[in-house]
Amino acid sequence: AQTVTQSQPEMSVQEAETVTLSCTYDTSESDYYLFWYKQPPSRQMILVIRQEAYKQQNATENRFSVNFQKAAKSFSLKISDSQLGDAAMYFCAYPGGSEKLVFGKGTKLTVNP
Amino acid sequence: NAGVTQTPKFQVLKTGQSMTLQCAQDMNHEYMSWYRQDPGMGLRLIHYSVGAGITDQGEVPNGYNVSRSTTEDFPLRLLSAAPSQTSVYFCASSYSPSIYNEQFFGPGTRLTVL
Repeated sequence: AQTVTQSQPEMSVQEAETVTLSCTYDTSESDYYLFWYKQPPSRQMILVIRQEAYKQQNATENRFSVNFQKAAKSFSLKISDSQLGDAAMYFCAYPGGSEKLVFGKGTKLTVNP
Repeated sequence: NAGVTQTPKFQVLKTGQSMTLQCAQDMNHEYMSWYRQDPGMGLRLIHYSVGAGITDQGEVPNGYNVSRSTTEDFPLRLLSAAPSQTSVYFCASSYSPSIYNEQFFGPGTRLTVL
């Protein structure tokens, strides 16, 4: 079975500092995408960033970037210059088959002013 | 565009009651899916559809039925509610059946079964 593991149930960061959320996954496929979703207290799921496995370059979206280590099956999310609005649950997700998305259990991020 | 809409936002049921959670999208997406979110469990796939008339089971389908008569709508039916179905339910859609496309989520329905 496809699995996605987020080993940090909770993380905290000071405003304006950098934090890294970890994610590992298990797959035998060579071509796939990986996703990070954010769920603020409003409950709305929002795509933060997406990484294509066949691309060597790590994806970046403004203050959000990934550290993708394909051989290690690791896909961590780095948030730079953390803001209060970044406080949320963050879920790593991986396609468990062509039509299914498998989510990790999430990391709760707290941003301290 | 309204995106993905879900109704109701909150619902309380008694054990054994049935109900339908509604999901609609106005983006002409072929792929739609239902997830449930439980504390410490992430999101788990219940059912999904790759187009009108086509549905399939996900990871936790027992106790739920779906149908897809139109591209826009993908209702989730609870046949006989049980306390174990207390959860937050999310509907999602994407442009094509391929999961490589971004999924757009609805705001969720919080369901409590007493």
